Amino acid sequence: DSGVTQTPKHLITATGQRVTLRCSPRSGDLSVYWYQQSLDQGLQFLIQYYNGEERAKGNILERFSAQQFPDLHSELNLSSLELGDSALYFCASQGGGKGEQYFGPGTRLTVT
Amino acid sequence: AQSVTQLGSHVSVSEGALVLLRCNYSSSVPPYLFWYVQYPNQGLQLLLKYTSAATLVKGINGFEAEFKKSETSFHLTKPSAHMSDAAEYFCAVSDNTGFQKLVFGTGTRLLVSP
Repeated sequence: DSGVTQTPKHLITATGQRVTLRCSPRSGDLSVYWYQQSLDQGLQFLIQYYNGEERAKGNILERFSAQQFPDLHSELNLSSLELGDSALYFCASQGGGKGEQYFGPGTRLTVT
Repeated sequence: AQSVTQLGSHVSVSEGALVLLRCNYSSSVPPYLFWYVQYPNQGLQLLLKYTSAATLVKGINGFEAEFKKSETSFHLTKPSAHMSDAAEYFCAVSDNTGFQKLVFGTGTRLLVSP
């Protein structure tokens, strides 16, 4: 158990819909990262927050947005969903500055 | 920009045999390097990390990796494979300035036969 929790575990929704994925980092970790894992793209960095502020953006679509709240949990919002958005979405948290990130169990999103 | 290349999308070994999973990195700054393991339907678990201390790094479950700057490599080894080692393994790089994203390789699936 990494100490990072993600909800829900599975999500099935239709094209055009909007969903919210939630992540709670390890106790005390200030930084949260979101990654997408798909068969064709592999593991791709989406976005990073540090203590409530957006810190870095990767290959995140404009239809996607995220935020980190004062209690440090984070949410990833995916809108106008397309079939190609079906993937595993991971959240990772980092406390120290030595680079190691601890991953949650992921949310498997299926868009039908 | 940083990148990671994992040679071999699949590696098959017999139980008890040496495991060698290859990882080469590219980085314009001194890197931090990581190996993660992913079991089916689970998240990624950190196996070991290199953060500019000892070049030979020992991790969990008997795995180790050696950072070779001249070869830009960080190969993962285990002397004797166990059936429970069957999983997907990812090598990742970040720069060494602290809170930075991970750039992952494409992964290597390790198959262990009895």
